[in-house]
Amino acid sequence: EIVLTQSPATLSLSPGERATLSCRASQSVSIYLAWYQQKPGQVPRLLMYDASKRATGTPGRFSGSGSGTDFTLTISSLEPEDFALYYCQQRTNWPLTFGGGTKVEIK
Amino acid sequence: EVQLVESGGGLVQPGGSLRLSCAASGFTFSIYAMHWVRQAPGKGLEWVSTFSGSGAGTYYADSVKGRFTISRDNSKNTLYLQMNSLRAEDTALYYCAKDLSGGDHYFDYWGQGTLVTVSS
Repeated sequence: EIVLTQSPATLSLSPGERATLSCRASQSVSIYLAWYQQKPGQVPRLLMYDASKRATGTPGRFSGSGSGTDFTLTISSLEPEDFALYYCQQRTNWPLTFGGGTKVEIK
Repeated sequence: EVQLVESGGGLVQPGGSLRLSCAASGFTFSIYAMHWVRQAPGKGLEWVSTFSGSGAGTYYADSVKGRFTISRDNSKNTLYLQMNSLRAEDTALYYCAKDLSGGDHYFDYWGQGTLVTVSS
């Protein structure tokens, strides 16, 4: 099983700041990694897939990078609606796995 | 508009069974892989099972293998999850999710979920 480790667990930032979230895989997943956003009481939303491709409706301030075992989700300038939980997910091998999540909270 | 509506959750005793359903609309159901993902209260996301769009196969998390069975009825645009021998650790909100494409195995649309509580 590919284990995805997200860091930090919590990121405390102010609106307008840049957020950098990390996801590290226990073995190479090539580029086959996605990012999801989940707000309290809401269903997860696909933000990015294949490491760097924006899903439909994802704002341009979100960008993804990485390959192999190290991936980054960057939010260039935090908007109030971006404070949420973020999960990474790999689809290279069965079982599909998620990271434990990073909470982006208002400082 | 893509819609996924889950049903069938509820309170069940340990060792019991439940059958979840997911009614899909707004897309050509038969060509997409479909998934079940769960989230225990206050916890993260856990993939449970996938039924490929091509009918090539079904896949399960180790935690449910041998106890859960995924199936689909393309004539009814409905995905199912038969859950047997339920355990307390199966308590979660169960989401039905549509695949991004035929078999990308990313989840681009999610239902609102149906809550399964396993408790005596």
